Amino acid sequence: QQQVKQSPQSLIVQKGGIPIINCAYENTAFDYFPWYQQFPGKGPALLIAIRPDVSEKKEGRFTISFNKSAKQFSLHIMDSQPGDSATYFCAASNSRSGGYNKLIFGAGTRLAVHP
Amino acid sequence: DTAVSQTPKYLVTQMGNDKSIKCEQNLGHDTMYWYKQDSKKFLKIMFSYNNKELIINETVPNRFSPKSPDKAHLNLHINSLELGDSAVYFCASSQVGGGYEQYFGPGTRLTVT
Repeated sequence: QQQVKQSPQSLIVQKGGIPIINCAYENTAFDYFPWYQQFPGKGPALLIAIRPDVSEKKEGRFTISFNKSAKQFSLHIMDSQPGDSATYFCAASNSRSGGYNKLIFGAGTRLAVHP
Repeated sequence: DTAVSQTPKYLVTQMGNDKSIKCEQNLGHDTMYWYKQDSKKFLKIMFSYNNKELIINETVPNRFSPKSPDKAHLNLHINSLELGDSAVYFCASSQVGGGYEQYFGPGTRLTVT
């Protein structure tokens, strides 16, 4: 059972474009939604995270939009650069479940930003 | 300074062998995790330890046994390796109540032949 569905599987944009990656979740108990960035041969690293009490969070060129009623959230990358080429994972967890953060990951989106 | 380190980075072994992967974190975190990333890059949690106590144990074969000698270390021992165990294994750590960010290690690529 895939609790977090992520799309698209891969994405190609030109430099300066705005790639958008979408995720949908099923478990209404989820209350923490991070995005991780992974470069080849490296471990995932936290990019940005949001809680359901806000509909948008921006950090630099990265923005999360959150729609609680639709159980969907998305990552927007403004003015994308070739250095943003990586695999992006959305995730979700129920932070109230004993305080231990069991992250459920989406399947990942491989982003290529062409110069 | 390496926050979460794993050894070895690469591990090539034959079916039926037993192998271990070591993980250490110098962040002072209470909680450590093991994740498996398959060939399609899907990341799935396997285990979580909090202060040396097993907290999360997903549906993982008994051949996988985590061990936490102290809260800075979490090792993964795998018995009777199978072809399907080939994957990249990531260790991660986080601080309970500390914002929930998980810091991942560089991964161990295990290849079973």
